[in-house]
Amino acid sequence: EAGVVQSPRYKIIEKKQPVAFWCNPISGHNTLYWYLQNLGQGPELLIRYENEEAVDDSQLPKDRFSAERLKGVDSTLKIQPAELGDSAVYLCASERQTGTGELFFGEGSRLTVL
Amino acid sequence: RKEVEQDPGPFNVPEGATVAFNCTYSNSASQSFFWYRQDCRKEPKLLMSVYSSGNEDGRFTAQLNRASQYISLLIRDSKLSDSATYLCVVNRASKIIFGSGTRLSIRP
Repeated sequence: EAGVVQSPRYKIIEKKQPVAFWCNPISGHNTLYWYLQNLGQGPELLIRYENEEAVDDSQLPKDRFSAERLKGVDSTLKIQPAELGDSAVYLCASERQTGTGELFFGEGSRLTVL
Repeated sequence: RKEVEQDPGPFNVPEGATVAFNCTYSNSASQSFFWYRQDCRKEPKLLMSVYSSGNEDGRFTAQLNRASQYISLLIRDSKLSDSATYLCVVNRASKIIFGSGTRLSIRP
């Protein structure tokens, strides 16, 4: 079974530039998460999808961050414009069914904003 | 105050030792609990679920105390390969919340 696939693995941009991350979850997993992880911290939830519906986006900074999960499969997270403080690892995870607690993570997209 | 609190460590113990971590959670509505493991510069992976009656998986034992709102992880006969960050995770209303992690380093 293929795991969660994320791209790009690494991205370096100047502040105020836009950036987008892509995630393809495990086939058949209905629930998809985007987390942000800073060094020395645990993952912090940005948004959770159940199929194509964003059911929890309360912690997504909506002035600059947006996400979509068209057709309830793969997902894109966008930041526009990026700020220095956005430098972090952006992790995508999928779960077969909401509430099991068994999340499968991708390798993450490491963003550096200069 | 964070909803899930952990001692960041690092815990530095010799191979073969027994080590235990605790984690506390603040919201009594939390429903289910887990330990994840994260190797350096890798993604988190589920280590084990934590059940009310306590559960064991080989050298790993997890305990839950709902009254005191804490979770523990015990590792017996530690191996060099156990070196990692251990993340305490809580499910509250389908929101999966991670602690900041406890770093463990096993020395030969």
